[in-house]
Amino acid sequence: GAVVSQHPSWVICKSGTSVKIECRSLDFQATTMFWYRQFPKQSLMLMATSNEGSKATYEQGVEKDKFLINHASLTLSTLTVTSAHPEDSSFYICSAGRALYGYTFGSGTRLTVV
Amino acid sequence: QKEVEQNSGPLSVPEGAIASLNCTYSDRGSQSFFWYRQYSGKSPELIMSIYSNGDKEDGRFTAQLNKASQYVSLLIRDSQPSDSATYLCAVMNYGGSQGNLIFGKGTKLSVKP
Repeated sequence: GAVVSQHPSWVICKSGTSVKIECRSLDFQATTMFWYRQFPKQSLMLMATSNEGSKATYEQGVEKDKFLINHASLTLSTLTVTSAHPEDSSFYICSAGRALYGYTFGSGTRLTVV
Repeated sequence: QKEVEQNSGPLSVPEGAIASLNCTYSDRGSQSFFWYRQYSGKSPELIMSIYSNGDKEDGRFTAQLNKASQYVSLLIRDSQPSDSATYLCAVMNYGGSQGNLIFGKGTKLSVKP
């Protein structure tokens, strides 16, 4: 099955700094990866679809200049939270795989902005 | 707006009982359906997929699909305390070049010893 690795598992950063989260597909090539955000006790919210070699597709209400996505290779997508603020503190999760079989999620990154 | 609806629970069942989790979806054209399990503080884990009307069994889990009623369910037999988690129903949306999942808000299951 599809194996997705996400790093780091958790990060604490100061307000105003940027944080990069990596998502790797370990045993398959992923032309598309998805980035989600989940606040406590809430469901997953799709932020954007990451497309290899082209621009990401952002969901309505997600600031593309704040959440920079780069999908430069078939096995790596990165999400950079720029100028992070406390309200950006959340659980960020990536997923990838084959649509027919359902997607696999990375282990998630818990971001705390202080 | 395509939607997936689940009862948020919590659903509480005694150990050894059958837990029944339900989900409805709005897009009649949907073809692929998934159940994910999410433990507190962890990312979702795929446990079942179903594409055809009827039942699909995998160990203690049975997924049921009724496309006419736009209804998906997950049965967990012989429930164990380790099954206590939030169960997310997801429907594949093929609006883009590759489908993305539309999730329900999840049902929290608590299995009491």
